[in-house]
Amino acid sequence: AQSVSQHNHHVILSEAASLELGCNYSYGGTVNLFWYVQYPGQHLQLLLKYFSGDPLVKGIKGFEAEFIKSKFSFNLRKPSVQWSDTAEYFCAVNAADRGSTLGRLYFGRGTQLTVWP
Amino acid sequence: SQTIHQWPATLVQPVGSPLSLECTVEGTSNPNLYWYRQAAGRGLQLLFYSVGIGQISSEVPQNLSASRPQDRQFILSSKKLLLSDSGFYLCAWHHGTAKETQYFGPGTRLLVL
Repeated sequence: AQSVSQHNHHVILSEAASLELGCNYSYGGTVNLFWYVQYPGQHLQLLLKYFSGDPLVKGIKGFEAEFIKSKFSFNLRKPSVQWSDTAEYFCAVNAADRGSTLGRLYFGRGTQLTVWP
Repeated sequence: SQTIHQWPATLVQPVGSPLSLECTVEGTSNPNLYWYRQAAGRGLQLLFYSVGIGQISSEVPQNLSASRPQDRQFILSSKKLLLSDSGFYLCAWHHGTAKETQYFGPGTRLLVL
């Protein structure tokens, strides 16, 4: 079975600091990769996704993520965080080459990001 | 535009009581539907998914069940709740392929006492 690891459970930063959240997955086949975000009191929503092409993916609100196939990683980055980035971030993976499980997402445990103004 | 609703928003139930959580999707047809449970510090765990009416796949053995009586309705049930069923339940939908974004509902917070 696939699994997704997010190594940082809680990250606390000051505004303007740089952010990198780690995500590693275990699956040897072709994958689609996602980062979802849950702002306080809001629905879980998509931040960015990768399925092919340029391994550096840009998402909303200045976030980006880099897919490194050799490391089975999809780390999320932002050069300068804002107070409004305070939220819980989830990495998710699905198998792109398994027709029977189309769309089935495996989520990491989530990382709570707190940004102090 | 598409909208996903979950009802109720919050629920407090005694151990051993039944459960019924409802999820409905508007503005789309024949979606794939999912039930997840989110427990603190444990991420989201897929419980059930459905690719069509009456078609339910279960991911983990448990005392919960799911049904899809209509194209855009997905119901999560239990005959007798356990304390361990407490959590935040999220419904999600998407179309077709694995590349498509899943859209999540507002969730139902369940507390079993």
